[in-house]
Amino acid sequence: ETAVFQTPNYHVTQVGNEVSFNCKQTLGHDTMYWYKQDSKKLLKIMFSYNNKQLIVNETVPRRFSPQSSDKAHLNLRIKSVEPEDSAVYLCASSYGYEQYFGPGTRLTVL
Amino acid sequence: GDSVTQTEGLVTLTEGLPVMLNCTYQTIYSNPFLFWYVQHLNESPRLLLKSFTDNKRTEHQGFHATLHKSSSSFHLQKSSAQLSDSALYYCALSERNRIFFGDGTQLVVKP
Repeated sequence: ETAVFQTPNYHVTQVGNEVSFNCKQTLGHDTMYWYKQDSKKLLKIMFSYNNKQLIVNETVPRRFSPQSSDKAHLNLRIKSVEPEDSAVYLCASSYGYEQYFGPGTRLTVL
Repeated sequence: GDSVTQTEGLVTLTEGLPVMLNCTYQTIYSNPFLFWYVQHLNESPRLLLKSFTDNKRTEHQGFHATLHKSSSSFHLQKSSAQLSDSALYYCALSERNRIFFGDGTQLVVKP
């Protein structure tokens, strides 16, 4: 049963546009994450949030920004997309260290 | 800094043969958590195995791994590969609220 929900499933956009992806978890976990999985299937952590505080911020371009309203939600905004942003974006939550992943949002930038 | 190194790229096996996917790690932290995640086609990664206890074998769904801190290793093994084991496998290291993934190993099991 899916407990980490992501919308949309897919998104196609043009260079320079702004996009937002949503993530919600119903597991009661304290920490949420955003990952980027590229075409080579490399899985890179982008952000993590613990109780609405950013605790890990890997070196990502400034056009990416996480947004959280409460510990069950962590959205991702990309201000001006570029072709290299095409990827699957995975949201995850954890209590402790075990990661529970959502189904992902596939972004295609034309 | 912390890192995880896995068997590179693609591993192709015939059904019924044993599986071994290597994972070694680097960390200055003395009590890391090690994980194996599996990602089947068109799915997201899910936890397969986890351990933080030195020299203790952990098993799940026919797979097993033992954390060896002396060699900084957490290799994934299975005695007999099945077609359904074809997937992408990630080894991961966690400590102090940080997580590091290896580059992934694609396992293809053929009849």
